[in-house]
Amino acid sequence: KQEVTQIPAALSVPEGENLVLNCSFTDSAIYNLQWFRQDPGKGLTSLLLIQSSQREQTSGRLNASLDKSSGRSTLYIAASQPGDSATYLCAVFGSGGYNKLIFGAGTRLAVHP
Amino acid sequence: NAGVTQTPKFQVLKTGQSMTLQCAQDMNHNSMYWYRQDPGMGLRLIYYSASEGTTDKGEVPNGYNVSRLNKREFSLRLESAAPSQTSVYFCASRSIYEQYFGPGTRLTVT
Repeated sequence: KQEVTQIPAALSVPEGENLVLNCSFTDSAIYNLQWFRQDPGKGLTSLLLIQSSQREQTSGRLNASLDKSSGRSTLYIAASQPGDSATYLCAVFGSGGYNKLIFGAGTRLAVHP
Repeated sequence: NAGVTQTPKFQVLKTGQSMTLQCAQDMNHNSMYWYRQDPGMGLRLIYYSASEGTTDKGEVPNGYNVSRLNKREFSLRLESAAPSQTSVYFCASRSIYEQYFGPGTRLTVT
């Protein structure tokens, strides 16, 4: 059974710091991995999608890496801003007839001025 | 292009009442999903539909039923609501690679 773990559960940093959020998964047979952002009381916004054949994806100040063999992904946020405050969720879409996205519990990020 | 839409946005039910949560997508996706989100537990899959006419149970299906009415619409029904079903419910649809979510329905059962 696929399990997704995100560390840390919560993070509070001053503005301007570079951050690393971690995601690990137990079954390396995945099609892709997706990082989402969720603001309080809102839905999920897709940030980055990494296919299983890719090693990383970048969008602006965000960079996500994937090491499928070790079951790990990291989301790197450069030069953090208060507007980055949100919960970040990692999810994997498995192969082998596994037609569903499995989520981690998320990392709650607070960036203070 | 509305993406994934859900109605209602908020709902309060008494124990034992029934209701249906509606979801529609306009992206011509085959796969659609219902999740619930509870504090500290992430999103858990209730039911999904890989294509029109098919539905399958997810991790937490008890107390729910679903209908894939057509390719666009996928509804979730609570036949007899219980306080344990107080949660935020998200509908999603999926392209070949990526999943898209609706804005959610916040349900409280008293």
